[in-house]
Amino acid sequence: GAVVSQHPSWVICKSGTSVKIECRSLDFQATTMFWYRQFPKQSLMLMATSNEGSKATYEQGVEKDKFLINHASLTLSTLTVTSAHPEDSSFYICSAPNSGTGDTIYFGEGSWLTVV
Amino acid sequence: GENVEQHPSTLSVQEGDSAVIKCTYSDSASNYFPWYKQELGKRPQLIIDIRSNVGEKKDQRIAVTLNKTAKHFSLHITETQPEDSAVYFCAASLNTGNQFYFGTGTSLTVIP
Repeated sequence: GAVVSQHPSWVICKSGTSVKIECRSLDFQATTMFWYRQFPKQSLMLMATSNEGSKATYEQGVEKDKFLINHASLTLSTLTVTSAHPEDSSFYICSAPNSGTGDTIYFGEGSWLTVV
Repeated sequence: GENVEQHPSTLSVQEGDSAVIKCTYSDSASNYFPWYKQELGKRPQLIIDIRSNVGEKKDQRIAVTLNKTAKHFSLHITETQPEDSAVYFCAASLNTGNQFYFGTGTSLTVIP
C-alpha cells in the first residue's frame, strides 16, 4: 500500500539551531501534504497545508517564519523549525492524500523533536 | 475554522463490555469523519470512517454513527479486548483528501 515516510524519526538539537524534517510519499505523488504537531498526551494539531509549487497555508496561530514549509517536489515536503526552543519539543507528523486511492490519507511515522 | 470536541477523555471498561466515544463538530460543511487509533509515539491508524451521506457504518466489532443535523458522531466498540487499549481520535474534514481537524482524544483502557 501507499507509504509516507518521515525522516528523521528522532532528533535532538540545541536551543537556537534549526531542524529540518522531511516527509516523502514513496509510491504516489502528493500535491498536498499536511503537517501536524502533537504534544504528549494531547491531540494532533494541524499546523499547515503544504502545497507543491506554491506557499504553504498556515493555521491560525502558527508562525510561518518559525515553521518553514517547502514542498519542493510532488513527493517531498520539508518542515524546518527555525531557532528552535525547548517549547518546540514535540511530535511532528505529516500526512498526504493519495488521489489514486480516492484521496485516502496516509500518515508518516512521525518525528520526535527534543530541543535542549 | 472547524472545532471538534471529543468525550470522554478517558474511558475504562471491562473486557467484553462495549465502549462508546462521542464527538461533535462545528462546521456544517464537514462531510468526512474518520476515527483513528494511536499508540504512543506512532502514527495514527485509521479504524473506520463515515461520510455525510451515510448514517451508520459497521466493521466487525466497530461501528460509527453520524447525526449530521446535530453535528455529532460516535464510535462504538463491542466485545472489547485488551488490545483495544489505546488513544482514539475522531476527526472532521471537508473531504477525504483534505486536512483533518482532530478531537482531543480518548484514552481507552480495557481491563482484562
